[in-house]
Amino acid sequence: GAVVSQHPSRVICKSGTSVKIECRSLDFQATTMFWYRQFPKKSLMLMATSNEGSKATYEQGVEKDKFLINHASLTLSTLTVTSAHPEDSSFYICSASSTRDRGRGEQYFGPGTRLTVT
Amino acid sequence: AQSVTQPDIHITVSEGASLELRCNYSYGATPYLFWYVQSPGQGLQLLLKYFSGDTLVQGIKGFEAEFKRSQSSFNLRKPSVHWSDAAEYFCAVPGNTGGFKTIFGAGTRLFVKA
Repeated sequence: GAVVSQHPSRVICKSGTSVKIECRSLDFQATTMFWYRQFPKKSLMLMATSNEGSKATYEQGVEKDKFLINHASLTLSTLTVTSAHPEDSSFYICSASSTRDRGRGEQYFGPGTRLTVT
Repeated sequence: AQSVTQPDIHITVSEGASLELRCNYSYGATPYLFWYVQSPGQGLQLLLKYFSGDTLVQGIKGFEAEFKRSQSSFNLRKPSVHWSDAAEYFCAVPGNTGGFKTIFGAGTRLFVKA
C-alpha cells in the first residue's frame, strides 16, 4: 500500500514552453502533497506544500507564478513549470501524506520526474 | 528549530562488511524519525521509522536503526552490506512549523566495493 506515481518519468522540452507533472496517490487519500526539487548530489529542496482544495504554500524563494501547483482531488496534484528555462532542468519529486499519518510526518514518495529544458 | 545532521557525505564499505550511517537530530520533544534510501534516478523509499516504544527499529532490506535520546542520534546499521545497497541515504524528522513538512538531512552516499 501507499504507492505514489509520477508522470512523466522523463520529459525534455524546449525553452519557453510549459510542462506539467502529475503526482497521484494510487491506493490512499492524500490530503497533503509535497513537491521537491533535487539538484545533482544534493538533498531534497522543498518547493511547496499543497493541500487538497486550497492554494499551495510555497517555500521562500520559489516563484509561485513559475511553478504552478494544483491539488484538485485527494489523489492528484500537478506541478506545471511555466515558460521553462534550462536552469529549471532538475529532478522533481512529489510525496504525499496519508490522512491517517499526517501527524507523524511520514511521507510516501513518487519515483521522480527528470526535466530537461533545451 | 528542528534540524538533522548526517556528518558523513559519503562512505565506502566492502561488500559483506558491516555498515553504520550516522544521524543526529535537534528536536524539542521525542521525535518521529525516518530513514529513506534513494537509488540513482529514483524517488525515496522508506527504510524504517521510529515513532515510540522499542528504540531498536527493524526495517526493510535487513536494515535497523537505534534511537538514542541521550545522544540525539538515530544511526542506521546493517550487519552485512550487499552491492545493491549502494545508494543515497537520508535521515529525516517531521517539522513542527505546520504543514507537516519533513526536515531531511543532507544525505550520505554509500559506495560498496567488491
